[in-house]
Amino acid sequence: GQNIDQPTEMTATEGAIVQINCTYQTSGFNGLFWYQQHAGEAPTFLSYNVLDGLEEKGRFSSFLSRSKGYSYLLLKELQMKDSASYLCAVRDREKGYQKVTFGTGTKLQVIP
Amino acid sequence: EAGVTQFPSHSVIEKGQTVTLRCDPISGHDNLYWYRRVMGKEIKFLLHFVKESKQDESGMPNNRFLAERTGGTYSTLKVQPAELEDSGVYFCASSQEGAPQETQYFGPGTRLLVL
Repeated sequence: GQNIDQPTEMTATEGAIVQINCTYQTSGFNGLFWYQQHAGEAPTFLSYNVLDGLEEKGRFSSFLSRSKGYSYLLLKELQMKDSASYLCAVRDREKGYQKVTFGTGTKLQVIP
Repeated sequence: EAGVTQFPSHSVIEKGQTVTLRCDPISGHDNLYWYRRVMGKEIKFLLHFVKESKQDESGMPNNRFLAERTGGTYSTLKVQPAELEDSGVYFCASSQEGAPQETQYFGPGTRLLVL
């Protein structure tokens, strides 16, 4: 199984940069996802990492280190609309098929 | 392209009643997943269909929960009889088998409240 840890809450200022960390333990790692979830809405896909390194997509970047069981999501030029929960999810190749396990999410509040 | 849809968006029922949730995946997605999020906790896996077959149902809490996907298109999740602890948000997600990332796309969820 997996154990996924991420901070419960974070606060950052509009226009700033924020880094949301995620650590995980898994026996058959096969990819890490970041999702954004606004209150009362569906989680929406942000990024995917399966190899070590940084994936950049506009204002959002995601980093992975498989040896350390560590990922972060970096949000630049924060906007008020970025206030949401950010979910780290790990895919594990278990028993021949793949299962995705979610962390509890990090609630980010962007303040003026 | 239409996304994953779920019905109803909200359901309030009394303990002991039956509720059926429906999920329509993205057209062409063979993989369909059910998840549940209880207040304050993480999204938890319930089960996974590949077409009409149950690939993994290890997350189903107990035999009061029954999921079906007849014909490999939409899926239903029935809770009978409902208990107070079944309250939460039930999400459905779908993904395309064989796609490079097999990213799961989520529906808006059904908010279930059992009184």
